[in-house]
Amino acid sequence: SQQGEEDPQALSIQEGENATMNCSYKTSINNLQWYRQNSGRGLVHLILIRSNEREKHSGRLRVTLDTSKKSSSLLITASRAADTASYFCATPGWNTDKLIFGTGTRLQVFP
Amino acid sequence: SAVISQKPSRDICQRGTSLTIQCQVDSQVTMMFWYRQQPGQSLTLIATANQGSEATYESGFVIDKFPISRPNLTFSTLTVSNMSPEDSSIYLCSVERGLAGGEQYFGPGTRLTVT
Repeated sequence: SQQGEEDPQALSIQEGENATMNCSYKTSINNLQWYRQNSGRGLVHLILIRSNEREKHSGRLRVTLDTSKKSSSLLITASRAADTASYFCATPGWNTDKLIFGTGTRLQVFP
Repeated sequence: SAVISQKPSRDICQRGTSLTIQCQVDSQVTMMFWYRQQPGQSLTLIATANQGSEATYESGFVIDKFPISRPNLTFSTLTVSNMSPEDSSIYLCSVERGLAGGEQYFGPGTRLTVT
């Protein structure tokens, strides 16, 4: 399967703490994306990092990409209860439009 | 950005019946994607739908089970045919924002339960 692996599968933290999620993938990529899904609803795109980038920031989000290790991490700083959701990484298939999603991390932030 | 709506938002169906899910986009798009998300799992692509051509199905998904229509650039339907409890999932449609392989916008999903 081309599906990426994410760890941890589940993460529980207190408000104000940082949350780090990791994603590993199997093939060469043009970019890697992170999405959030609240309670079985539609996905929301968070951030896209290109293969020639090593780090990217968006608000409280920080994404890193290590193409030599085929891995990425998503850091959410100063977490809030509203950050409670499932987070997925996704990569495009080679020379196609379709996205291949990772297994996901379920984040629970306690107030 | 694209706004995507799906109908129905949820349904409970009996085994052996079929359900058609509609996906409406507020702008014209070339490609639309249909995903399945089984309970507690990640998303799996069912097929890619281009306007005016047959949908392209991923391994493990067949047209007889998941027929797709794409009559114009803003609309698509996915039918789940001859349903069984194993078809209980969230079904999501999505469109690309811009370049191929870039970010996608997702509909809110259709939660299907088959009894």
